[in-house]
Amino acid sequence: RKEVEQDPGPFNVPEGATVAFNCTYSNSASQSFFWYRQDCRKEPKLLMSVYSSGNEDGRFTAQLNRASQYISLLIRDSKLSDSATYLCVVNTPNFGNEKLTFGTGTRLTIIP
Amino acid sequence: EPEVTQTPSHQVTQMGQEVILRCVPISNHLYFYWYRQILGQKVEFLVSFYNNEISEKSEIFDDQFSVERPDGSNFTLKIRSTKLEDSAMYFCASKGGDSYNEQFFGPGTRLTVL
Repeated sequence: RKEVEQDPGPFNVPEGATVAFNCTYSNSASQSFFWYRQDCRKEPKLLMSVYSSGNEDGRFTAQLNRASQYISLLIRDSKLSDSATYLCVVNTPNFGNEKLTFGTGTRLTIIP
Repeated sequence: EPEVTQTPSHQVTQMGQEVILRCVPISNHLYFYWYRQILGQKVEFLVSFYNNEISEKSEIFDDQFSVERPDGSNFTLKIRSTKLEDSAMYFCASKGGDSYNEQFFGPGTRLTVL
């Protein structure tokens, strides 16, 4: 089983639509969870951290289910500028060290 | 806003040559990382560095790779004898001292091995 697994995509959705991304992770010791955004040939940039209680930032809502080892991201009222690859990222500390483990990403294209 | 910088943006080298990729992390950060992304694939962890030593490394980070923080500001990744499969985007990242701080990524160096 992959450490971090995401919907393969690509997702092509019309402007204004709602789109949802799902992600599962295999290591139950993982402690921190994130969604990053990556534009073509650019570096990953943090979109939002994901907490067990769920969190919202404007049009973006992230949810974490530790029991199911499942993370989601919902984008409402999608904009053309939301077109990017969305990366599910998990942080698994190891004796004080930590590394980010990335999913393969899901490409989103918003269609005018 | 402080940012991580990397040089060069693109490096072309011949197979078997040594390359050094350079990064300047955010100035008050304590943790430093290298990741790589082969074209069309996921971002992969290479190595983490803290308190002037490697704290964790992946299977990818074999004896051909080394890291250094030579002067308190730069953080370098050296590949001693490049292979074709080392062609990738290499991202440097840095993080502050708190456990849940974000890792900030640099813009990356695209390495092409011919």
